Amino acid sequence: RKEVEQDPGPFNVPEGATVAFNCTYSNSASQSFFWYRQDCRKEPKLLMSVYSSGNEDGRFTAQLNRASQYISLLIRDSKLSDSATYLCVVTPSASGATNKLIFGTGTLLAVQP
Amino acid sequence: DTGVSQDPRHKITKRGQNVTFRCDPISEHNRLYWYRQTLGQGPEFLTYFQNEAQLEKSRLLSDRFSAERPKGSFSTLEIQRTEQGDSAMYLCASSFLAGGPGEQFFGPGTRLTVL
Repeated sequence: RKEVEQDPGPFNVPEGATVAFNCTYSNSASQSFFWYRQDCRKEPKLLMSVYSSGNEDGRFTAQLNRASQYISLLIRDSKLSDSATYLCVVTPSASGATNKLIFGTGTLLAVQP
Repeated sequence: DTGVSQDPRHKITKRGQNVTFRCDPISEHNRLYWYRQTLGQGPEFLTYFQNEAQLEKSRLLSDRFSAERPKGSFSTLEIQRTEQGDSAMYLCASSFLAGGPGEQFFGPGTRLTVL
């Protein structure tokens, strides 16, 4: 079983739609949680951190449920420029000070005009 | 450009050859990571340096792989006797020790094709 699991998609949505991505992680002791964005043939970039209290950045809302080991990302009012792969990321507690990132396979979003 | 840089951007080699990749992190970053990404997958952790010390290596890093960061600045990743299964994007990332755990800045990657 993969340590971080995501639906690979693709999610094809029209402009203006609301889309939600989900992710589960297997290590209950995981410390930190993130969403990274990766454009086609580009490097991953940090989109936002994820907290149990939930956090919002403009049209993006991320949520963590530690009890269910579940992470979500909601994108409202989708733009063409949101088309990318969204990677769910955790840092395992056993890594000590390494803070290595454990990535899911990514969910591909294609926003259609 | 003050971001992470990697060289070369593309490398095509024949099976059995050795290859070496270079990563130049953001100058004040003391943490450096190597990841490998294959098509349709997320990046997978390979190894981590804090300054010049290599503190963690993944089981993915077989004995054909070696990484160095001799002066705590740039890093090299060498693959000996390449195999077709080594074909992937090799990503380098850096971060600052006191920064948040998720704040890793990635370079553009080196795409390796083994024929």
